[in-house]
Amino acid sequence: GQQLNQSPQSMFIQEGEDVSMNCTSSSIFNTWLWYKQDPGEGPVLLIALYKAGELTSNGRLTAQFGITRKDSFLNISASIPSDVGIYFCAGHRNTGGFKTIFGAGTRLFVKA
Amino acid sequence: DAGVIQSPRHEVTEMGQEVTLRCKPISGHNSLFWYRQTMMRGLELLIYFNNNVPIDDSGMPEDRFSAKMPNASFSTLKIQPSEPRDSAVYFCASSLLGGGGDTQYFGPGTRLTVL
Repeated sequence: GQQLNQSPQSMFIQEGEDVSMNCTSSSIFNTWLWYKQDPGEGPVLLIALYKAGELTSNGRLTAQFGITRKDSFLNISASIPSDVGIYFCAGHRNTGGFKTIFGAGTRLFVKA
Repeated sequence: DAGVIQSPRHEVTEMGQEVTLRCKPISGHNSLFWYRQTMMRGLELLIYFNNNVPIDDSGMPEDRFSAKMPNASFSTLKIQPSEPRDSAVYFCASSLLGGGGDTQYFGPGTRLTVL
């Protein structure tokens, strides 16, 4: 079945550092999504990407839809303590029935 | 506006008991999703409804799990009988259109513990 490989699994960084995480798949996706989950809450959408090559920013967050449509990355610049949480990538295909596949998540820890 | 509402937030039950989780999607959304999250398996889609009709239930683990959406503002996920391996956080999410990677809005989740 379809799977997303998200890396790294976890990151321990110092406040102010930049962060990069990515997702790869053996399948092509029409849409890539990046969510953040705070402790005790449900995931919240950060960025949605709809076209191969698309680069989108949301404040300190930047995400790109890979040219091959099989990968995506998320960068966070100048991290702050409230960036702590789990970041999930998700790929969506329009064909073969609706299904959004989630990556395993990247746990981000930021030390002040 | 109220987001997706789930109840209960926490449920502790004994093996063999019936468990019912409830969800109220965002008003006006026509798609509803049930997910299960565990450390081992991450976030898994269990079932997806569009206009109250189940479209894809291939993620439902087994016959002990069932989901209904009797109207546009309410859905239930039932586990009968429950087993310890069902312990997880169950999320309900809704979206406006349900297609094309449409944004899903997640509820706060129900943390289920089966002893």
